[in-house]
Amino acid sequence: QVQLVQSGTEVKKPGASVTVSCKATGYTFTRHYMHWVRQAPGQGLEWVGVINPWDDTTACAQEFQGRVTMTKDTSTSTFYMELRSLKSEDAAVYYCARAGPVGCSSTSCYGDHWGQGTLVTVSS
Amino acid sequence: DIQMTQSPSTLSASVGDGVTITCRASQSISSWLAWYQQKPGKAPKLVIYKASTLESGVPSRFSGSGSGTEFTLTISSLQPDDFATYYCQHYDTYPYSFGPGTKLEIK
Repeated sequence: QVQLVQSGTEVKKPGASVTVSCKATGYTFTRHYMHWVRQAPGQGLEWVGVINPWDDTTACAQEFQGRVTMTKDTSTSTFYMELRSLKSEDAAVYYCARAGPVGCSSTSCYGDHWGQGTLVTVSS
Repeated sequence: DIQMTQSPSTLSASVGDGVTITCRASQSISSWLAWYQQKPGKAPKLVIYKASTLESGVPSRFSGSGSGTEFTLTISSLQPDDFATYYCQHYDTYPYSFGPGTKLEIK
């Protein structure tokens, strides 16, 4: 079965960088885009970006452009999201979400399987 | 960028009631809309994709409809497990975005 297992809680200072990992098992790694979504405490869901593991192309929300890098390691079936120049507003739970296999638009798909989430705290 | 809105923001209902949540997009997204259910401290769970396709394993009391800019999620007979927050998300063009959520609470 599909499983996405994310790395553990991170505590960072403002201005630092954080890298969250997402290990994918139970499916063919390169066949599904991977989305990153975050949720600030008590708030709604916010789409961060997406990576196509077939060709490493990425797209992200404008507010993260220049600050986020999404990568993958095919040898370990792991996705990574690095967020730089952290601000207090970046404190959130970060999720990876696999793009579904059917019913997709010309860009990508909804998230059909989700990781358990990684809490990122930003505090001086 | 496409903006998503939802109404109501909070919905109080009883077990056995039928409820409908509305999601609107700021421009046409065809049928590229998903609905998620989220419970406190948990990751979102996919309920509906492509506006009206029920995800495997999701009870048939859930249904989705709509296209273009207006969409609905209907739960025909609420069960205790259904009380949660529901989000819509478009996946038409980048950047994708979510609605602000509808909290479904027990009356």
